[in-house]
Amino acid sequence: DGGITQSPKYLFRKEGQNVTLSCEQNLNHDAMYWYRQDPGQGLRLIYYSQIVNDFQKGDIAEGYSVSREKKESFPLTVTSAQKNPTAFYLCATPGPGGTGELFFGEGSRLTVL
Amino acid sequence: KQEVTQIPAALSVPEGENLVLNCSFTDSAIYNLQWFRQDPGKGLTSLLLIQSSQREQTSGRLNASLDKSSGRSTLYIAASQPGDSATYLCAVRFLTNAGKSTFGDGTTLTVKP
Repeated sequence: DGGITQSPKYLFRKEGQNVTLSCEQNLNHDAMYWYRQDPGQGLRLIYYSQIVNDFQKGDIAEGYSVSREKKESFPLTVTSAQKNPTAFYLCATPGPGGTGELFFGEGSRLTVL
Repeated sequence: KQEVTQIPAALSVPEGENLVLNCSFTDSAIYNLQWFRQDPGKGLTSLLLIQSSQREQTSGRLNASLDKSSGRSTLYIAASQPGDSATYLCAVRFLTNAGKSTFGDGTTLTVKP
């Protein structure tokens, strides 16, 4: 099945801990994005990568880090420097062909205890 | 600043009614506009994508229109059903935003049986 897989679906973290969220895609798309969603709000861009070994900060990158060592993988680390990490995290990739259509994974919900 | 606004934040209608969801944006120089559906705790499902050169797109009971000059898009849902209950988000890819989409906060629709 082609698609975007995010794991874990639910994650609990103690304050001061780093956690890493996984995003894997088998669509052979070049670009991958990470978004954060808070209750009742739209999505805000954290980081994006247009190609392997390259990534750029989005609008709210502080307290987060990413890597893009493989085309199919774009993990997001939520560091202890992120002051309010409890949120729903979504990974997305735009389809090929220049349409710019975005496709999303099922999301990961992070709760800081 | 490029912004996307969705009003109202919530809408409740009886089953069978036709309804319109609104999306407005502040800059008419766009690449595309995409409508999504989000069920509670889930990722975003793409409903319709309208390219800048298009005026509308249709899929089943859904019709999305685009008026760049007025900075507006509408999502028309015909003969609403309880299964249409979800949050609907609008995302605009502005030409001057390096391929990144800006999201509205969404409209939460409840269709009562």
